[in-house]
Amino acid sequence: AQKITQTQPGMFVQEKEAVTLDCTYDTSDPSYGLFWYKQPSSGEMIFLIYQGSYDQQNATEGRYSLNFQKARKSANLVISASQLGDSAMYFCAMREASMNTDKLIFGTGTRLQVFP
Amino acid sequence: GAVVSQHPSRVICKSGTSVKIECRSLDFQATTMFWYRQFPKQSLMLMATSNEGSKATYEQGVEKDKFLINHASLTLSTLTVTSAHPEDSSFYICSAKTWGQQNTEAFFGQGTRLTVV
Repeated sequence: AQKITQTQPGMFVQEKEAVTLDCTYDTSDPSYGLFWYKQPSSGEMIFLIYQGSYDQQNATEGRYSLNFQKARKSANLVISASQLGDSAMYFCAMREASMNTDKLIFGTGTRLQVFP
Repeated sequence: GAVVSQHPSRVICKSGTSVKIECRSLDFQATTMFWYRQFPKQSLMLMATSNEGSKATYEQGVEKDKFLINHASLTLSTLTVTSAHPEDSSFYICSAKTWGQQNTEAFFGQGTRLTVV
């Protein structure tokens, strides 16, 4: 069964510094997608970045980049130039293509706190 | 990005009553909607997947008679928590997407914080 692991319950970073949030996954499906979402205290889930299993390059979206290491089954999120507004919960999620379903499996999340 | 609207954002109800939560896709046709439950400081747990015009598929351990899901149109799905009890208090959040777009994210509603007293 597919599984997503986020081993960092909490992370601290100083404003303007970069931070890496870890995510490892387990799947036997060769085709899958990996997502990162941000959840501020208000509760909504904000999509940040997507990486497909067949994508040759690491995904980037503005200050967000995904360090995709397929052999290690890791998909770490890198946030550059952290801002105070980045303080939130961050969830890694996976979708398997062959399951014939679009459901996402989420990790347990990492709480990021950015301090001045 | 696409907009998914969830209503209400907060609801308090008495034990034993039923509560309906709506999830609407405002600018796209959502062939599939997902309902998640999130306990404080925990991750999102998928409760069920609903496809327009068909019965919802519930995850293991989720009581289908307690959590009634209706997806009658391409823009609306509802979750009804029947005979609510304090242990049903939680954050419920829906997401919606169009079938087949594997490389696109599911768009989430704002969530509903349910408190049963």
